Amino acid sequence: AQKITQTQPGMFVQEKEAVTLDCTYDTSDQSYGLFWYKQPSSGEMIFLIYQGSYDEQNATEGRYSLNFQKARKSANLVISASQLGDSAMYFCAMKRRGSTLGRLYFGRGTQLTVWP
Amino acid sequence: DAEITQSPRHKITETGRQVTLACHQTWNHNNMFWYRQDLGHGLRLIHYSYGVQDTNKGEVSDGYSVSRSNTEDLPLTLESAASSQTSVYFCASSEGQSSGNTIYFGEGSWLTVV
Repeated sequence: AQKITQTQPGMFVQEKEAVTLDCTYDTSDQSYGLFWYKQPSSGEMIFLIYQGSYDEQNATEGRYSLNFQKARKSANLVISASQLGDSAMYFCAMKRRGSTLGRLYFGRGTQLTVWP
Repeated sequence: DAEITQSPRHKITETGRQVTLACHQTWNHNNMFWYRQDLGHGLRLIHYSYGVQDTNKGEVSDGYSVSRSNTEDLPLTLESAASSQTSVYFCASSEGQSSGNTIYFGEGSWLTVV
């Protein structure tokens, strides 16, 4: 079974500082994809960043980067220069190839609070 | 812009009633999914579909059904609503089946069963 673990139920960071949200995963697949989603208090799920298991470089999208360490099975999200609007729940998710194509396996999320 | 919409966004219903949550996407995606989100559990897959007339059970499918009569819609039906089905429901869609395809979510439907 696939498993996504987010060990930080809540994180606090001061505005303009960087923050790392942890994510580890467990899979025996060789090919898979890792995603991060943001869920603000309004409830929608917003796609942030994607990393493929065969990608050699860490993914970056603006202020978001994914610190991918394949051997350690970790895919931490780094948010640089935090903004008040970054306060939200963040979910790590994994998508695998194979018999359950297309579905995402989610962690339980990390609530990030950015303070001024 | 293409989008995915859910309705209703908020609903209160009584135990035992049948409830249907609608999901409509305009991306022409083959894959559609229904998840529920509960505190402490993250998002869990209820049902999914890889195309018209195709439906599959996810990890928490008991008490739910879906049908896929066209590409755009995947309605989720609660046959006899139970209090344990009070949750936030998300519909999602994606284009392909490789590990690289992004999944796009609707805005969620808040369902309360009293």
